[in-house]
Amino acid sequence: ETGVTQSPTHLIKTRGQQVTLRCSSQSGHNTVSWYQQALGQGPQFIFQYYREEENGRGNFPPRFSGLQFPNYSSELNVNALELDDSALYLCASSLWVPNYGYTFGSGTRLTVV
Amino acid sequence: AQSVTQLDSQVPVFEEAPVELRCNYSSSVSVYLFWYVQYPNQGLQLLLKYLSGSTLVKSINGFEAEFNKSQTSFHLRKPSVHISDTAEYFCAVSLPGGGADGLTFGKGTHLIIQP
Repeated sequence: ETGVTQSPTHLIKTRGQQVTLRCSSQSGHNTVSWYQQALGQGPQFIFQYYREEENGRGNFPPRFSGLQFPNYSSELNVNALELDDSALYLCASSLWVPNYGYTFGSGTRLTVV
Repeated sequence: AQSVTQLDSQVPVFEEAPVELRCNYSSSVSVYLFWYVQYPNQGLQLLLKYLSGSTLVKSINGFEAEFNKSQTSFHLRKPSVHISDTAEYFCAVSLPGGGADGLTFGKGTHLIIQP
């Protein structure tokens, strides 16, 4: 059983640019969620995708958007990057009813300069 | 909406001593409860979870947590810690019915094991 993989592991972008982060779900999982973890903080829920549609969003602006593909992999896109977007971005996969919990990837460390 | 409070941002403890990491939650409905561990520069690993049934849940590496509904708590304990337990520990909740709110995390507790 494969786990959750994220790419790239590290990324440096300039303020105002756009970035795309990628995530492959654990085998058998149909739901993907994304989290932003600022330094020294707990992860914050960005949004969740199920059946290729966004069905839940945390307190993040529309410049944070995503996609889920038929194979349940996912992308997180962030437009007009701001310095405060610097964080570890975590992807988690699960079943729609998360009886077995959420499986997290190792994250993408995004630095905005 | 749900919220999670981890009362201690940092807990220093000597090796082989017992430890308790505190977690309280707030929710108007039933929730699932989780503890995750994060080692430096890594993602989150599920340590244990409470969904229903027995209020005491245990992990394979000696941690346990007890769900207390009246006190809305889910404290994590280990009777004897090791240097390798040094990490950040996060308590989290989610809605049980396939909710679209994801996980709500506390701010984390840094467990520091002193030799």
